Amino acid sequence: EAGVAQSPRYKIIEKRQSVAFWCNPISGHATLYWYQQILGQGPKLLIQFQNNGVVDDSQLPKDRFSAERLKGVDSTLKIQPAKLEDSAVYLCASSFWSGGYNEQFFGPGTRLTVL
Amino acid sequence: GNSVTQMEGPVTLSEEAFLTINCTYTATGYPSLFWYVQYPGEGLQLLLKATKADDKGSNKGFEATYRKETTSFHLEKGSVQVSDSAVYFCALSRGGSEKLVFGKGTKLTVNP
Repeated sequence: EAGVAQSPRYKIIEKRQSVAFWCNPISGHATLYWYQQILGQGPKLLIQFQNNGVVDDSQLPKDRFSAERLKGVDSTLKIQPAKLEDSAVYLCASSFWSGGYNEQFFGPGTRLTVL
Repeated sequence: GNSVTQMEGPVTLSEEAFLTINCTYTATGYPSLFWYVQYPGEGLQLLLKATKADDKGSNKGFEATYRKETTSFHLEKGSVQVSDSAVYFCALSRGGSEKLVFGKGTKLTVNP
């Protein structure tokens, strides 16, 4: 079974530029998550989708970050304009929706450096 | 709100040493508890989990017991190997498809 795919793996941009990250979840997984992992910290949820609807975006900085999952499959996370403090690894995860606990499977992440 | 506090690192051990990484949590209700591992250059992987009080999660020689009375979920392994070198994250979830709340991570280095 293919895992969660993310691209690009690395990105370096100047502050105030824009950047976009792509995620393709495991086939059949209805729930998709974007986490931000700043160096030395644990991942923090930015946004959670159930199919193509947003479940939780309470920690998404909406003035500069946006995300979409138009067809309920792959997703794009965008930052515009980027700030120095956005330097982090952006992790995508997916899970199958059912009763009980649903294990989240993580992609390899995209490492963003903002100069 | 929900939060996880785990032992500050880094931790350096010799091969075959005993490992403990402490984790305590604050949560409303009865969360599920997890340990994730991140090997160098790889993504996060679920190591073990426990979904109710007194449950013991185990995998690859690692164990952790969900202690509701002390709100703890300490990770242990009796004899570590060089291949266990990684960053370990304690996390909680309120269940279902709820988000994971992570601790800061503990970097473990095992020397031969």
